Amino acid sequence: DAGITQSPRHKVTETGTPVTLRCHQTENHRYMYWYRQDPGHGLRLIHYSYGVKDTDKGEVSDGYSVSRSKTEDFLLTLESATSSQTSVYFCAISETTANTGELFFGEGSRLTVL
Amino acid sequence: LAKTTQPISMDSYEGQEVNITCSHNNIATNDYITWYQQFPSQGPRFIIQGYKTKVTNEVASLFIPADRKSSTLSLPRVSLSDTAVYYCLVGDLPFKTIFGAGTRLFVKA
Repeated sequence: DAGITQSPRHKVTETGTPVTLRCHQTENHRYMYWYRQDPGHGLRLIHYSYGVKDTDKGEVSDGYSVSRSKTEDFLLTLESATSSQTSVYFCAISETTANTGELFFGEGSRLTVL
Repeated sequence: LAKTTQPISMDSYEGQEVNITCSHNNIATNDYITWYQQFPSQGPRFIIQGYKTKVTNEVASLFIPADRKSSTLSLPRVSLSDTAVYYCLVGDLPFKTIFGAGTRLFVKA
């Protein structure tokens, strides 16, 4: 299995508080992604990174920011959490963006915003 | 971005072959077709990928007709442990592919 660690795995917080989720990889893959998964929606891309300090928005980026200061770490921040951001968040990595680029996923972080 | 349509759910019995079809009518020339499997409380896991015709690996086969507007994931002789959600993705880059709602496969004894 790909070396991907997400932290925290579970978090309960209150509306309006800041939250940061961390994704750490030991594979030295260039590309990293944050997805959220909600019932009936499959996985939706929030942000992705194609290198240190290089990030871009995905399908559902509003209310989220990301940072990547090192190859191995990709942080997802909710500046002011809302109940609509209650979800399971998955980090993924890929070695390449070539057509055959396989995504490797972490175990997920379950966030509950009260 | 190519959208995909899959059945919401399927039931099968142990030992049977399961075929899950995915429709992707607006697939582009550079798009590949990729299938992922997801168990509860886990991230998705890559199963198989193809561009055209047939691809087979140790766990599944992928059949893609000449027009590439659909694809079929075939799981031979499923077991209870194959109960999962299966996602069909179409795209040329990981950040340009969309996960749909997937197909929930339930394998019964």
